[in-house]
Amino acid sequence: DGGITQSPKYLFRKEGQNVTLSCEQNLNHDAMYWYRQDPGQGLRLIYYSQIVNDFQKGDIAEGYSVSREKKESFPLTVTSAQKNPTAFYLCASGGHYNEKLFFGSGTQLSVL
Amino acid sequence: QQQVKQSPQSLIVQKGGISIINCAYENTAFDYFPWYQQFPGKGPALLIAIRPDVSEKKEGRFTISFNKSAKQFSLHIMDSQPGDSATYFCAATGNTGTASKLTFGTGTRLQVTL
Repeated sequence: DGGITQSPKYLFRKEGQNVTLSCEQNLNHDAMYWYRQDPGQGLRLIYYSQIVNDFQKGDIAEGYSVSREKKESFPLTVTSAQKNPTAFYLCASGGHYNEKLFFGSGTQLSVL
Repeated sequence: QQQVKQSPQSLIVQKGGISIINCAYENTAFDYFPWYQQFPGKGPALLIAIRPDVSEKKEGRFTISFNKSAKQFSLHIMDSQPGDSATYFCAATGNTGTASKLTFGTGTRLQVTL
């Protein structure tokens, strides 16, 4: 069953805490992406990676960090520097020309 | 900076009716225009896409109309069904489809009533 798996589905963060969202894909895609979704604001790109061991900042990277040690995995850490982390986070992957993105089912992050 | 403007924000259509969602873009370098469909609690999925070399693309009940001179494109859902109730996002990208530059609209929440 191919696709993108995000975990956990729901996550709660305490103030000052870093949390990590998992994203795994078995589609053999080179590119992977993290988007943040807020009501009424569409999808905003946080970070993306075109190949292993390389990644670039998107439009709203401040307060987030990523790693790409394996082709299949692209975890996102929401650091304590992100003052408004409550959102729905979506991971995606894309093939060589990246025109079609495949999304995971998302992680809803909330602040306690 | 909002480069893709989407309207309406929400839409209610009766079963069997036509749903129309509009998008306008500013960047003339955009050359690929996909639409994504998202059900509650799920990630978006590609629905249909168009390139500016054609003015219309149809896949089943879904049609994209594209007006290059006006820099506008729209999604038409014919014979709308309750199962079409979802949020729809238009998007645009340039540079031969590099998704890293994919810009999304703000979304339209469609409700199809019986």
